Amino acid sequence: GAVVSQHPSRVICKSGTSVKIECRSLDFQATTMFWYRQFPKQSLMLMATSNEGSKATYEQGVEKDKFLINHASLTLSTLTVTSAHPEDSSFYICSARQGLAVETQYFGPGTRLLVL
Amino acid sequence: GQSLEQPSEVTAVEGAIVQINCTYQTSGFYGLSWYQQHDGGAPTFLSYNALDGLEETGRFSSFLSRSDSYGYLLLQELQMKDSASYFCAADSNYQLIWGAGTKLIIKP
Repeated sequence: GAVVSQHPSRVICKSGTSVKIECRSLDFQATTMFWYRQFPKQSLMLMATSNEGSKATYEQGVEKDKFLINHASLTLSTLTVTSAHPEDSSFYICSARQGLAVETQYFGPGTRLLVL
Repeated sequence: GQSLEQPSEVTAVEGAIVQINCTYQTSGFYGLSWYQQHDGGAPTFLSYNALDGLEETGRFSSFLSRSDSYGYLLLQELQMKDSASYFCAADSNYQLIWGAGTKLIIKP
């Protein structure tokens, strides 16, 4: 099946620093990529949706200046958490969709961010 | 607003059958998906129902009733490795609206 990778899998950083998370679709071209955040024992919360070459669409309540998304190619999207604070500590999951149908949406393994 | 309701936790015995229900209220509904997520892992796709009825895939089956805005995931011959959280997600205009997840606890 289709594979989506994320790097890094885990990151610990100091408050105030910026962290970049990469998401790649390894064996397919993704028309759309999604970024989710998941707090412990909670559901996935969609942060933003991005299409290659265009600006990301952010969900209500997600600060676009804090969570920078760059969808540089059909196989790569990056999420940068700028000036991270402890409340940004979470599990960040990217997802890539090959077509329009949700069955073609594949999830990365997630990145666990801990901000001290 | 758009929402999905599913039980927070279900407990079952190894080898048994368990059903996880999901009711939804969304606009632009196209279908209902189910995902499995183990602790610390990413969601993995289990099934998608666009039409009413039962879809069977091995030990897992999923059902949808559009008229009742209701679906369920049926897991048979439970194994310890099935212990995980299960999420229903509504396909609303090609966007996934997620339920809060059901933690399935399996006892030997």
